[in-house]
Amino acid sequence: NAGVTQTPKFQVLKTGQSMTLQCAQDMNHNSMYWYRQDPGMGLRLIYYSASEGTTDKGEVPNGYNVSRLNKREFSLRLESAAPSQTSVYFCASSEVRSRGETQYFGPGTRLLVL
Amino acid sequence: SQQGEEDPQALSIQEGENATMNCSYKTSINNLQWYRQNSGRGLVHLILIRSNEREKHSGRLRVTLDTSKKSSSLLITASRAADTASYFCAIRGGSEKLVFGKGTKLTVNP
Repeated sequence: NAGVTQTPKFQVLKTGQSMTLQCAQDMNHNSMYWYRQDPGMGLRLIYYSASEGTTDKGEVPNGYNVSRLNKREFSLRLESAAPSQTSVYFCASSEVRSRGETQYFGPGTRLLVL
Repeated sequence: SQQGEEDPQALSIQEGENATMNCSYKTSINNLQWYRQNSGRGLVHLILIRSNEREKHSGRLRVTLDTSKKSSSLLITASRAADTASYFCAIRGGSEKLVFGKGTKLTVNP
C-alpha cells in the first residue's frame, strides 16, 4: 500500500496563476483532509470531506476550492494564487470506525507563490 | 479555541535522557492524539488516548491525560538521535476534525 500520495512535491507559481494539488489514498478511508503548515503556526485545516460527495470548510478556506472526485481522490485548487498561500500543504485521510480515528498524512506539497 | 498548546516550544537533550512534552487545551475532548513530524516529512501518528483513559504506553512512549486539568503529557524514555523531530498534539472534540497545536521541536544530541 502506498498510503497517501500527493502531487506535485514542489511547485512555484506567480501571483494570479492557478493550480490543483492532487491527493490520493489507497486505504479505503471515508474521510480526507487538506491542511496547510506555516512556520510557527502548526497545521491549519483548509477543507475536509467526511465521505464521497461531501466537502466542508475548515479553519482557513478562503482562496481555495476542493473536489472529492471519488473515494480515493481529494484535490485542492488555488484559482488565483497569492503570496500568502506560500506554504506546505498536507493531505490526510482517516477511517473513524476501524482505525481509531487516527489520520494518515501524505508527504506534502511545497508551494511558493512569487 | 479548541487548539492544544504544546510546551515547551523547543527542547534539547542528550541521547539516553527522557523527554517530556506537555499539551494543554481549553474545551472538552473526545480524544487527544500525538503525532511526530520529521523534518520535511508528513506527520506520523504515535498514540491516541481517549477522554476516559488516564495513561497509555507504546514502546518507549508514555502518554498521560488529565481531563480535570485539561492537559496531556508525552514522555519519550531513553531518547535516541532518531527521535529528533517535531511533536504535535491534536484535539478531537465532537466532530471528525482534529485541531493541531503548534508543536514542540525536540533535538536529541548524540
